Formats: sequence, C-alpha cells, structure tokens
Amino acid sequence: GAVVSQHPSWVICKSGTSVKIECRSLDFQATTMFWYRQFPKQSLMLMATSNEGSKATYEQGVEKDKFLINHASLTLSTLTVTSAHPEDSSFYICSARDSRSTDTQYFGPGTRLTVL
Amino acid sequence: GENVEQHPSTLSVQEGDSAVIKCTYSDSASNYFPWYKQELGKRPQLIIDIRSNVGEKKDQRIAVTLNKTAKHFSLHITETQPEDSAVYFCAASRGAGQNFVFGPGTRLSVLP
Repeated sequence: GAVVSQHPSWVICKSGTSVKIECRSLDFQATTMFWYRQFPKQSLMLMATSNEGSKATYEQGVEKDKFLINHASLTLSTLTVTSAHPEDSSFYICSARDSRSTDTQYFGPGTRLTVL
Repeated sequence: GENVEQHPSTLSVQEGDSAVIKCTYSDSASNYFPWYKQELGKRPQLIIDIRSNVGEKKDQRIAVTLNKTAKHFSLHITETQPEDSAVYFCAASRGAGQNFVFGPGTRLSVLP
C-alpha cells in the first residue's frame, strides 16, 4: 500500500512551453500533497503544499503564477510549470499524506524536467 | 521557521561496521522526525520515524534516537551492507499534516 505515482517520469521541452506533471495516490486518499524540487546532490526543497479543494500554499520565493498547482481530487494533484526556461530544469518530486495518518508522507518517483 | 542541520555530509564505512548520522532542529514545536533513504535517481523511501513522545525506536538494523531537550536526533545503522549505500535525509515536522523541513542529506558509502 501507500503508492504514489508521478507522470511523466522525464520530459524534455523547449524554452517557453508549459509542462504539466501529475501526482497520484494509487491506493489511498491524500488530503494533502506536497511538491518538492531537488537539484543534483542537494536536499528536497518544498515548493508548495497542495490541499484538496483549496488553493495551494506556496513557500517563500516560489512564484505561484509560474508553478500552477491544482488538487482537484483526493488522489490527484498537478503541477504546471508555465513558460519553462532552462533554469527550471530540475527533479520535481511530489509526496502525499495518507488521510488516515497525520504524519507520514509517501513520495512519488519524481519527474526529471529538462528545458532546452 | 524550522532549520534542520545534518552531519556528516558524507560518510564511508566498511561493510559490517555501524554508521551514525546526526540531525539537529531549531523549532521546539516539531514533534515528528522521519528518516528517508534515497538511491540515485529514485524516490525517497521512508525507513524509520520517531515521534516526540518516545526517545528511541528500533527496526532490525536501523534505530533512531531523539533528545528533545537538546533538539537533536540520530540514525543508527548496524551491520552495514553495500545496499545501504545511498543518501539519507532527516526531516522535522510539527506533525498533523504539516510540511517537512529536510536536512541537507548524508551520502553513505558502505565499502565491501
């Protein structure tokens, strides 16, 4: 149990295009999902907290108009990187908190984004 | 806000030896401390966690200790094996669905 999937696993796009990343909890309901960004050999940096049915809460320094988050159901959250540029190239990982557990987060496999 | 520090940043041990990774946190309201293992290019996997109402928790070769007064917690791996080689991240949270603040990570190498 407690499986989180992410799609796509990797994507290459041209500068200026938008990319949508999906995060799904496969066997549990996730009231809260989190989006992280990870640069090579660095830690996980929280970008935003996504709550089902409400607006996401963004961390300081994260542009909400650039990183659009939608959490329309208890099993799906999406992150859209709008007008992507090379500096947006990174590893994006989501995590989901099982609604039955107050603390534990389960991570998706991540999406590697390369912007040319 | 919360700040989590982690040491050492890299650690090499001989197979069979023990490995210890230490983390400190700054927010006294934090009460949940998970440890994640991340292999190259893969997702972080929860390996053990501890809540502030206990001082120690053990799961086979892995144990975590927590000192709330000093605001630090440690991961102990005994009888290390090559497959333990990975990056380990500690995190702190206020629990109840609050976000995690991760430490910078420790790259553990277990030498055969």
